[in-house]
Amino acid sequence: ETGVTQTPRHLVMGMTNKKSLKCEQHLGHNAMYWYKQSAKKPLELMFVYSLEERVENNSVPSRFSPECPNSSHLFLHLHTLQPEDSALYLCASSQEWGAGSPLHFGNGTRLTVT
Amino acid sequence: AQSVTQLDSHVSVSEGTPVLLRCNYSSSYSPSLFWYVQHPNKGLQLLLKYTSAATLVKGINGFEAEFKKSETSFHLTKPSAHMSDAAEYFCVVSAGTGGYNKLIFGAGTRLAVHP
Repeated sequence: ETGVTQTPRHLVMGMTNKKSLKCEQHLGHNAMYWYKQSAKKPLELMFVYSLEERVENNSVPSRFSPECPNSSHLFLHLHTLQPEDSALYLCASSQEWGAGSPLHFGNGTRLTVT
Repeated sequence: AQSVTQLDSHVSVSEGTPVLLRCNYSSSYSPSLFWYVQHPNKGLQLLLKYTSAATLVKGINGFEAEFKKSETSFHLTKPSAHMSDAAEYFCVVSAGTGGYNKLIFGAGTRLAVHP
């Protein structure tokens, strides 16, 4: 059973909709991440939060807006998305904020933009 | 700069035969290396990690990997494949810079296991 829970598991939205993805970790970790997984592409890091402070924004378009209200919760707010944004969005957490600390992933949200 | 190359996009084996998934890395620093597995409709799960201790690393489900600095390789092996091993496998190198945990993922190797 994963210690990182993502909701919803599936989401279909139109290009003018606004929706949010939610991630919750039950592991007591200090860092949380959003990744994008598209077909035939390596995983892309989107955002990193450490102790609720954003420490990485990997050139992500502004139509993706992260929020980390506390160390256990992470949101990804979506608006005015494009069809190419359809992908699996993975949340992860890690104990330490530094190299060598393995990530624990949720099962992802499968997003389809129509 | 750090990078990772998984040499095979697809590997197919018969149940009960050995598994070899190949990974080469490039790193300016002493790297941390990981293998993750992803089953269909699931997130990634850590199989094993290397962080400059023993060069032969044992992981879950009978998998192991050997760090070879001279060959810049970190190949994943298992003596006997099981049907449940069918999944996608990712080799990952940790960038180790900037103070945060930036991982560089390989493109993945899809493992098929046939009866």
